[in-house]
Amino acid sequence: NAGVMQNPRHLVRRRGQEARLRCSPMKGHSHVYWYRQLPEEGLKFMVYLQKENIIDESGMPKERFSAEFPKEGPSILRIQQVVRGDSAAYFCASSPYITSGGPNNEQFFGPGTRLTVL
Amino acid sequence: EDQVTQSPEALRLQEGESSSLNCSYTVSGLRGLFWYRQDPGKGPEFLFTLYSAGEEKEKERLKATLTKKESFLHITAPKPEDSATYLCAVARGQNFVFGPGTRLSVLP
Repeated sequence: NAGVMQNPRHLVRRRGQEARLRCSPMKGHSHVYWYRQLPEEGLKFMVYLQKENIIDESGMPKERFSAEFPKEGPSILRIQQVVRGDSAAYFCASSPYITSGGPNNEQFFGPGTRLTVL
Repeated sequence: EDQVTQSPEALRLQEGESSSLNCSYTVSGLRGLFWYRQDPGKGPEFLFTLYSAGEEKEKERLKATLTKKESFLHITAPKPEDSATYLCAVARGQNFVFGPGTRLSVLP
């Protein structure tokens, strides 16, 4: 029973390039969350997606960042024109179901993608 | 503003020395509080979910409790392998708010 998979595990980009981070949720999970973690800081919520829908993107910067979770394939977090401040660990989490009123169940995290912007 | 704080920021214990970690929250409409463990270079690993004040959950040397304003993670007779960062999070609205974590070191 494979867990949440993220790739690449490490990504190096130069300023101005694009970064694409992929997340495959656990089998049977249709809800995906993306978080950013800076060194010595906690996880910051970015976006919550269901298949083909963005449910909550309140934590995602308005510019340069976008996320999708297509009907087929992994969820993608895309960062355009990266800057040094984008360097961080990006974690994806999935959950199997959502109760009425919004998510309130445990999430299962992937190993993260560590983005370094030179 | 919804906020989750954790104390202490870092904690060093001798093996076998029991202690507690605190998670305080100010979140309207709390729908669940979660504890995770995170090892360096890895993603958080789920430990417990608590939904209502007075609820308790246990797993091996760990016990989580919840009141209306805070949660405690009690560690009984810790071992070096319990060394990690412990994160708490609350569910609110359509997302989750995480605390900054407590970095626990258990010395042999």
